[in-house]
Amino acid sequence: AQKITQTQPGMFVQEKEAVTLDCTYDTSDPSYGLFWYKQPSSGEMIFLIYQGSYDQQNATEGRYSLNFQKARKSANLVISASQLGDSAMYFCAMREASNSGGSNYKLTFGKGTLLTVNP
Amino acid sequence: EAQVTQNPRYLITVTGKKLTVTCSQNMNHEYMSWYRQDPGLGLRQIYYSMNVEVTDKGDVPEGYKVSRKEKRNFPLILESPSPNQTSLYFCASSPQGVSGQPQHFGDGTRLSIL
Repeated sequence: AQKITQTQPGMFVQEKEAVTLDCTYDTSDPSYGLFWYKQPSSGEMIFLIYQGSYDQQNATEGRYSLNFQKARKSANLVISASQLGDSAMYFCAMREASNSGGSNYKLTFGKGTLLTVNP
Repeated sequence: EAQVTQNPRYLITVTGKKLTVTCSQNMNHEYMSWYRQDPGLGLRQIYYSMNVEVTDKGDVPEGYKVSRKEKRNFPLILESPSPNQTSLYFCASSPQGVSGQPQHFGDGTRLSIL
Protein backbone atom coordinates (compact mmCIF):
# COMPACT_ATOMS: atom_id res chain seq x y z
CA ALA A 1 0.00 0.00 0.00
CA GLN A 2 1.18 3.48 -0.76
CA LYS A 3 2.18 5.49 2.27
CA ILE A 4 1.34 8.84 0.68
CA THR A 5 -1.49 9.20 -1.82
CA GLN A 6 -2.11 12.30 -3.86
CA THR A 7 -5.17 11.53 -5.94
CA GLN A 8 -5.10 14.64 -8.14
CA PRO A 9 -2.47 14.37 -10.89
CA GLY A 10 -3.42 17.86 -12.06
CA MET A 11 -5.47 20.78 -10.81
CA PHE A 12 -6.53 24.08 -12.34
CA VAL A 13 -7.46 27.21 -10.41
CA GLN A 14 -8.26 30.79 -11.34
CA GLU A 15 -5.94 33.49 -10.11
CA LYS A 16 -7.02 34.90 -6.73
CA GLU A 17 -9.14 31.89 -5.89
CA ALA A 18 -8.37 29.29 -3.21
CA VAL A 19 -7.41 25.72 -4.03
CA THR A 20 -7.11 22.53 -1.98
CA LEU A 21 -4.58 19.84 -2.83
CA ASP A 22 -5.39 16.45 -1.35
CA CYS A 23 -3.04 14.17 0.56
CA THR A 24 -3.83 11.01 2.49
CA TYR A 25 -1.26 8.97 4.34
CA ASP A 26 -0.87 5.57 5.88
CA THR A 27 1.21 4.85 8.96
CA SER A 28 0.98 2.88 12.18
CA ASP A 29 3.63 5.05 13.82
CA PRO A 30 2.05 7.33 16.47
CA SER A 31 4.76 9.94 15.89
CA TYR A 32 5.15 11.36 12.40
CA GLY A 33 5.45 14.61 10.52
CA LEU A 34 3.81 15.76 7.33
CA PHE A 35 5.45 18.18 4.91
CA TRP A 36 4.45 19.92 1.73
CA TYR A 37 7.00 20.92 -0.88
CA LYS A 38 6.63 22.96 -4.05
CA GLN A 39 8.63 22.15 -7.17
CA PRO A 40 8.47 24.83 -9.88
CA SER A 41 9.46 24.07 -13.45
CA SER A 42 13.04 25.08 -12.63
CA GLY A 43 13.24 21.91 -10.54
CA GLU A 44 14.19 22.92 -7.01
CA MET A 45 12.28 21.64 -3.98
CA ILE A 46 10.87 24.42 -1.80
CA PHE A 47 9.54 23.65 1.69
CA LEU A 48 6.10 25.13 2.33
CA ILE A 49 4.57 23.87 5.56
CA TYR A 50 4.86 21.25 8.31
CA GLN A 51 2.34 19.48 10.55
CA GLY A 52 3.33 17.22 13.43
CA SER A 53 1.13 14.30 14.43
CA TYR A 54 0.77 15.68 17.96
CA ASP A 55 0.08 19.26 16.92
CA GLN A 56 -3.33 20.37 18.15
CA GLN A 57 -3.80 23.15 15.66
CA ASN A 58 -3.64 23.16 11.88
CA ALA A 59 -0.42 24.65 10.56
CA THR A 60 -0.46 27.94 8.68
CA GLU A 61 2.30 29.79 6.80
CA GLY A 62 1.19 32.91 5.01
CA ARG A 63 -1.15 31.88 2.18
CA TYR A 64 -0.60 28.20 2.93
CA SER A 65 -2.59 26.26 5.48
CA LEU A 66 -2.82 22.59 6.22
CA ASN A 67 -6.19 20.96 6.82
CA PHE A 68 -5.10 18.14 9.13
CA GLN A 69 -7.70 15.46 9.88
CA LYS A 70 -5.84 12.87 11.90
CA ALA A 71 -8.66 10.33 12.19
CA ARG A 72 -9.09 10.35 8.42
CA LYS A 73 -5.31 10.40 7.89
CA SER A 74 -5.50 13.35 5.58
CA ALA A 75 -3.32 16.45 5.35
CA ASN A 76 -4.66 18.65 2.59
CA LEU A 77 -2.83 21.79 1.54
CA VAL A 78 -4.94 24.90 1.08
CA ILE A 79 -3.53 27.79 -0.95
CA SER A 80 -5.51 30.97 -0.59
CA ALA A 81 -5.59 33.79 -3.16
CA SER A 82 -3.71 31.84 -5.83
CA GLN A 83 -1.04 33.65 -7.81
CA LEU A 84 0.44 32.84 -11.21
CA GLY A 85 3.70 32.00 -9.47
CA ASP A 86 1.95 29.19 -7.60
CA SER A 87 1.89 27.12 -10.79
CA ALA A 88 4.12 24.17 -9.92
CA MET A 89 4.21 20.54 -8.84
CA TYR A 90 3.27 20.03 -5.20
CA PHE A 91 4.43 17.09 -3.14
CA CYS A 92 3.13 15.79 0.15
CA ALA A 93 5.69 13.89 2.22
CA MET A 94 5.78 12.06 5.54
CA ARG A 95 8.53 11.35 8.04
CA GLU A 96 7.90 8.52 10.47
CA ALA A 97 9.77 8.62 13.75
CA SER A 98 10.31 4.87 13.81
CA ASN A 99 12.30 4.65 10.56
CA SER A 100 15.43 2.61 11.20
CA GLY A 101 14.94 2.91 14.92
CA GLY A 102 14.60 6.65 14.63
CA SER A 103 17.90 7.20 12.88
CA ASN A 104 16.57 7.78 9.36
CA TYR A 105 14.75 11.03 8.76
CA LYS A 106 13.63 9.72 5.37
CA LEU A 107 10.80 11.54 3.69
CA THR A 108 8.30 9.34 1.87
CA PHE A 109 6.81 11.32 -0.99
CA GLY A 110 3.57 11.13 -2.88
CA LYS A 111 3.56 11.29 -6.66
CA GLY A 112 2.65 14.95 -6.71
CA THR A 113 -0.09 17.24 -8.02
CA LEU A 114 0.59 19.63 -10.88
CA LEU A 115 -1.17 22.91 -10.14
CA THR A 116 -1.85 25.39 -12.92
CA VAL A 117 -3.04 28.86 -12.05
CA ASN A 118 -4.96 30.55 -14.86
CA PRO A 119 -5.02 34.34 -15.25
CA GLU B 1 23.13 32.12 2.93
CA ALA B 2 22.10 28.70 4.22
CA GLN B 3 22.13 26.26 1.37
CA VAL B 4 22.75 22.82 -0.04
CA THR B 5 24.94 22.93 -3.14
CA GLN B 6 25.03 20.16 -5.72
CA ASN B 7 27.35 19.86 -8.68
CA PRO B 8 27.02 19.40 -11.55
CA ARG B 9 23.49 20.62 -12.26
CA TYR B 10 23.37 18.74 -15.54
CA LEU B 11 25.43 15.85 -16.88
CA ILE B 12 25.18 13.69 -19.98
CA THR B 13 27.53 10.72 -19.96
CA VAL B 14 27.87 7.18 -21.23
CA THR B 15 27.29 3.77 -19.72
CA GLY B 16 30.10 2.56 -17.51
CA LYS B 17 31.96 5.84 -17.04
CA LYS B 18 32.33 6.48 -13.30
CA LEU B 19 30.89 9.75 -12.07
CA THR B 20 30.51 11.63 -8.81
CA VAL B 21 27.83 14.14 -7.88
CA THR B 22 29.01 16.37 -5.08
CA CYS B 23 26.83 17.74 -2.30
CA SER B 24 27.84 20.30 0.29
CA GLN B 25 25.83 22.03 3.02
CA ASN B 26 26.83 25.03 5.14
CA MET B 27 24.28 24.61 7.95
CA ASN B 28 26.26 22.21 10.12
CA HIS B 29 23.53 19.59 9.70
CA GLU B 30 24.22 16.09 10.94
CA TYR B 31 21.73 14.33 8.66
CA MET B 32 22.16 14.17 4.89
CA SER B 33 20.37 12.12 2.27
CA TRP B 34 20.20 11.44 -1.46
CA TYR B 35 16.94 11.01 -3.40
CA ARG B 36 16.16 10.32 -7.00
CA GLN B 37 13.04 11.60 -8.72
CA ASP B 38 11.45 9.76 -11.61
CA PRO B 39 8.20 10.62 -13.42
CA GLY B 40 5.17 9.10 -11.73
CA LEU B 41 7.23 7.78 -8.80
CA GLY B 42 7.88 10.87 -6.70
CA LEU B 43 11.18 10.99 -4.81
CA ARG B 44 12.81 7.87 -3.43
CA GLN B 45 15.67 7.70 -0.96
CA ILE B 46 18.97 6.23 -2.16
CA TYR B 47 21.30 6.58 0.85
CA TYR B 48 21.44 8.57 4.03
CA SER B 49 23.96 9.56 6.65
CA MET B 50 23.39 10.39 10.29
CA ASN B 51 26.87 11.84 10.79
CA VAL B 52 30.49 11.59 9.72
CA GLU B 53 31.45 8.02 8.78
CA VAL B 54 27.86 6.81 9.38
CA THR B 55 25.95 5.93 6.22
CA ASP B 56 23.16 3.48 5.41
CA LYS B 57 21.02 2.32 2.53
CA GLY B 58 17.69 3.85 1.65
CA ASP B 59 15.03 2.31 -0.55
CA VAL B 60 16.89 2.20 -3.88
CA PRO B 61 20.65 1.88 -3.16
CA GLU B 62 21.63 -0.52 -5.97
CA GLY B 63 24.29 0.91 -8.24
CA TYR B 64 25.24 3.78 -5.93
CA LYS B 65 27.86 4.48 -3.31
CA VAL B 66 28.28 7.34 -0.86
CA SER B 67 30.83 8.55 1.63
CA ARG B 68 30.76 10.98 4.55
CA LYS B 69 34.32 11.92 5.46
CA GLU B 70 33.40 15.44 6.47
CA LYS B 71 30.20 16.75 8.02
CA ARG B 72 29.48 19.20 5.22
CA ASN B 73 30.02 16.88 2.23
CA PHE B 74 28.08 13.85 1.06
CA PRO B 75 29.05 12.81 -2.49
CA LEU B 76 27.04 10.32 -4.53
CA ILE B 77 29.15 7.94 -6.61
CA LEU B 78 28.02 5.93 -9.61
CA GLU B 79 30.81 3.44 -10.21
CA SER B 80 29.41 2.04 -13.46
CA PRO B 81 26.39 4.10 -14.52
CA SER B 82 23.64 2.49 -16.55
CA PRO B 83 20.73 4.03 -18.49
CA ASN B 84 18.23 3.13 -15.74
CA GLN B 85 20.07 5.60 -13.51
CA THR B 86 18.99 8.47 -15.74
CA SER B 87 17.08 10.62 -13.30
CA LEU B 88 16.86 13.87 -11.35
CA TYR B 89 18.89 13.62 -8.15
CA PHE B 90 18.49 15.64 -4.97
CA CYS B 91 20.72 15.96 -1.96
CA ALA B 92 19.05 17.06 1.27
CA SER B 93 20.13 17.87 4.81
CA SER B 94 18.52 18.56 8.16
CA PRO B 95 19.54 18.89 11.79
CA GLN B 96 19.30 15.82 13.95
CA GLY B 97 16.64 15.31 16.58
CA VAL B 98 14.36 18.24 15.71
CA SER B 99 11.11 16.78 14.49
CA GLY B 100 9.63 19.81 12.78
CA GLN B 101 12.72 20.84 10.87
CA PRO B 102 12.26 20.42 7.12
CA GLN B 103 14.91 18.88 4.97
CA HIS B 104 16.72 21.46 2.89
CA PHE B 105 17.17 20.37 -0.69
CA GLY B 106 19.80 21.21 -3.24
CA ASP B 107 18.69 22.45 -6.64
CA GLY B 108 18.97 19.01 -8.18
CA THR B 109 21.28 17.27 -10.65
CA ARG B 110 19.84 16.00 -13.89
CA LEU B 111 21.77 12.95 -15.06
CA SER B 112 21.41 11.35 -18.47
CA ILE B 113 23.21 8.05 -19.00
CA LEU B 114 23.39 7.04 -22.66
